[in-house]
Amino acid sequence: AQSVTQLGSHVSVSEGALVLLRCNYSSSVPPYLFWYVQYPNQGLQLLLKYTSAATLVKGINGFEAEFKKSETSFHLTKPSAHMSDAAEYFCAVTHSNYQLIWGAGTKLIIKP
Amino acid sequence: DTAVSQTPKYLVTQMGNDKSIKCEQNLGHDTMYWYKQDSKKFLKIMFSYNNKELIINETVPNRFSPKSPDKAHLNLHINSLELGDSAVYFCASSQGGKNEQFFGPGTRLTVL
Repeated sequence: AQSVTQLGSHVSVSEGALVLLRCNYSSSVPPYLFWYVQYPNQGLQLLLKYTSAATLVKGINGFEAEFKKSETSFHLTKPSAHMSDAAEYFCAVTHSNYQLIWGAGTKLIIKP
Repeated sequence: DTAVSQTPKYLVTQMGNDKSIKCEQNLGHDTMYWYKQDSKKFLKIMFSYNNKELIINETVPNRFSPKSPDKAHLNLHINSLELGDSAVYFCASSQGGKNEQFFGPGTRLTVL
């Protein structure tokens, strides 16, 4: 069965520091993988997606993620954190048609 | 031009009441979803509709009844509201079942 694990319910980084949010998945078929961001009191917004093309995927707001099949990982990174990056981040993998399996989310905290 | 819209944004009601949440998407997508997000930000799929047909019906109490009058609308009716129904409900849409989902702004339901 497919599953998604996001390591760390909270991640705290200093402004300007590297952001690394971890996502590991299990899937019996080649997966489609997604990262979404949720700002306070808003809906979820797609950051980036992997759909079996390039393994390094660039998204909005300077984020990128690398698909590593051998590690079953799809970690999200950003070289330099901004205060505006403070939000909840969700990793998701396609389960079957019409359903995504969601991680529990990671709250990113940016320290000034 | 809101892609996925929900009304109302906030809903405060008494236990035992019946309420509805409306969702509309103007993206021309063929698939729509309802999610429940609890206070710990965990996302749970409730229903998925494709071309107005119910595809996914997770273990949701039958007090919850979705209705899709056309491909652009998916409404959620809740009977006999309970305290545990308090949450944020998100509507989403996608083209097909494997592509990225676009989320509405959410409806915060509070049952007193």
